Amino acid sequence: GDSVTQMEGPVTLSEEAFLTINCTYTATGYPSLFWYVQYPGEGLQLLLKATKADDKGSNKGFEATYRKETTSFHLEKGSVQVSDSAVYFCALRWGGGADGLTFGKGTHLIIQP
Amino acid sequence: DSGVTQTPKHLITATGQRVTLRCSPRSGDLSVYWYQQSLDQGLQFLIQYYNGEERAKGNILERFSAQQFPDLHSELNLSSLELGDSALYFCASSSPPGGATDTQYFGPGTRLTVL
Repeated sequence: GDSVTQMEGPVTLSEEAFLTINCTYTATGYPSLFWYVQYPGEGLQLLLKATKADDKGSNKGFEATYRKETTSFHLEKGSVQVSDSAVYFCALRWGGGADGLTFGKGTHLIIQP
Repeated sequence: DSGVTQTPKHLITATGQRVTLRCSPRSGDLSVYWYQQSLDQGLQFLIQYYNGEERAKGNILERFSAQQFPDLHSELNLSSLELGDSALYFCASSSPPGGATDTQYFGPGTRLTVL
């Protein structure tokens, strides 16, 4: 079946460091891809999404590009802040809308001042 | 604040019991989704309702059921509870047309502890 694999962490970085969180997926066809973020004690929030190959999603300085050749959707940010500390989830969803999101295990990101 | 509300915030109960979790979607959203987040299984999709009708099923156990009412709020019923059902249960909602690219807005979750 479909699956999403991402580094679980925790990933610890210093403020202003460059961030990459890897995400790869296994699926037949071309699903829509998403990054969600979960801050402590809160629900998930959509960070960015891409719906077809080579699309780039971006939001709040974060970017991810849908790469069908490598079935990847890596999350990047040029300069992280302490406020970016959270758990980040990569997810996919199929067309038609009759289904839920398939999530990776989540990556816990800790940014130190 | 996503606009999705869930009650209660916390629930502590015993094995064998039955509980009901409630979700109110964002105003105007017709789709409601239920997810379970546990340490061993991660985040799993349970079930989706669209305008009162069941639309898709994920890894939902036979002991669990859900429904969406005419006012679009939804309830997730968990029965014959086991220790392994302890988890955070999230509800999410999205607007029509209900496609794969729709943004799902998540509520804050209900933390269920089964003792």
